[in-house]
Parts: sequence; C-alpha cells; structure tokens
Amino acid sequence: DVKVTQSSRYLVKRTGEKVFLECVQDMDHENMFWYRQDPGLGLRLIYFSYDVKMKEKGDIPEGYSVSREKKERFSLILESASTNQTSMYLCASSLGGGRRGLATEAFFGQGTRLTVV
Amino acid sequence: GEDVEQSLFLSVREGDSSVINCTYTDSSSTYLYWYKQEPGAGLQLLTYIFSNMDMKQDQRLTVLLNKKDKHLSLRIADTQTGDSAIYFCAEYAGTASKLTFGTGTRLQVTL
Repeated sequence: DVKVTQSSRYLVKRTGEKVFLECVQDMDHENMFWYRQDPGLGLRLIYFSYDVKMKEKGDIPEGYSVSREKKERFSLILESASTNQTSMYLCASSLGGGRRGLATEAFFGQGTRLTVV
Repeated sequence: GEDVEQSLFLSVREGDSSVINCTYTDSSSTYLYWYKQEPGAGLQLLTYIFSNMDMKQDQRLTVLLNKKDKHLSLRIADTQTGDSAIYFCAEYAGTASKLTFGTGTRLQVTL
C-alpha cells in the first residue's frame, strides 16, 4: 500500500514564526503536492513538485515555499506564519509525468491541522 | 476559468440511495474524479470517469456524466453508515494540465 505520512497531525504556532510541514512517501512517486483544505473552498493547490529540486507554483503560493531535496520528502515552509494560514494542510503524491501527473491517482496523507495564534 | 461546484451537505437514511452532484465549467475536462475523505483522514480515490464516457458502474457506485450540461453525479446504492464522509469531485483539464477540486459534499447517513 502507498503510504504518505505527514509529520504532525496538529500544530499550534505563533504569528511570525517560521513553520515547517514535512511529508514523506514510500512509493517512489515522482509527483508530490501540498494542498490546503478550508470549509466551503475545497482543496486548493499551494505547490507541487514533479522531481527532486523541481517545484511549480499552484493556485495559492503566496506566503509559502517548498523544498524537495530527496525524492521521498516534500516540505512546506511558512516563512512568517499569519492567522490566515490557519487551515488543514494535505500532502499528496502520484506517479510522474510532470503536470500530466496531476491526472493520475493521488495518494493523500492524513493531514496537518495548523492553528496560527 | 475552472470552477467546480457541489452542494455542501446531504443527509440520507441508511439503506436509501445517495446522489451527490457536481457541476464544472471547463469544457476541456479530460478526467473527472470522485474522492472520499473519512473523518480525520486524507482523501482516497473512489472512482473516476473519462470525459468520453457517460456512465461508469463499480459495485454500489454509479457515476453519470452529462458533458453537455457539465454535470457529474455519484450515486451510492444501499447507503451505509460507513459511507458517511466528505465527497469531493475533481476535474482534470488536459489543455491546462490542471486539477481542480470541488468544495466537497458532506454525506450524513442516519439510522
């Protein structure tokens, strides 16, 4: 079974802190994604990566950055956390193909609920 | 631009059929998906349909696609309490290589 593991289920951080959300997948998938999930807005893509050290902006990249130093690990970084970044963050992975890999089945982690106070 | 809309909530009795609806705007959609999110979990792919199909059946699940009206539905026969979850439809637009999720429909199954 594909496993996508997010390092924390719940996080509480202060405004202005630098926050790291970590995600690891064990199926050698090329593509990895970070989404945020908000009630009434569905899932919105923040960033995705289709290879090591490659990244592409999604729909809402402002206030976020990412790092993919190893194929299995994709980190989401909030440089200076703000209260409007309080949300559920979901990591996903899928088989490759660049942006066309978005069409293949995505496997999701269990999510990290981040609260910024 | 791309827009995928769903109603936010649906309540059905156990044993009845559930129908979850989705509308989308991008006529270049190539694939359409239904994902399920159980409480406290990530999303899991339930089923998908190619845009050149109009129906797909998989055990208790039936997906209907009306391409003319850009309307997608998921029918769950004999709904069980374990079907209680949030259901997301998503469309992949081939020309833009973009995947767009809907807002999600929370299905509540009552006894």
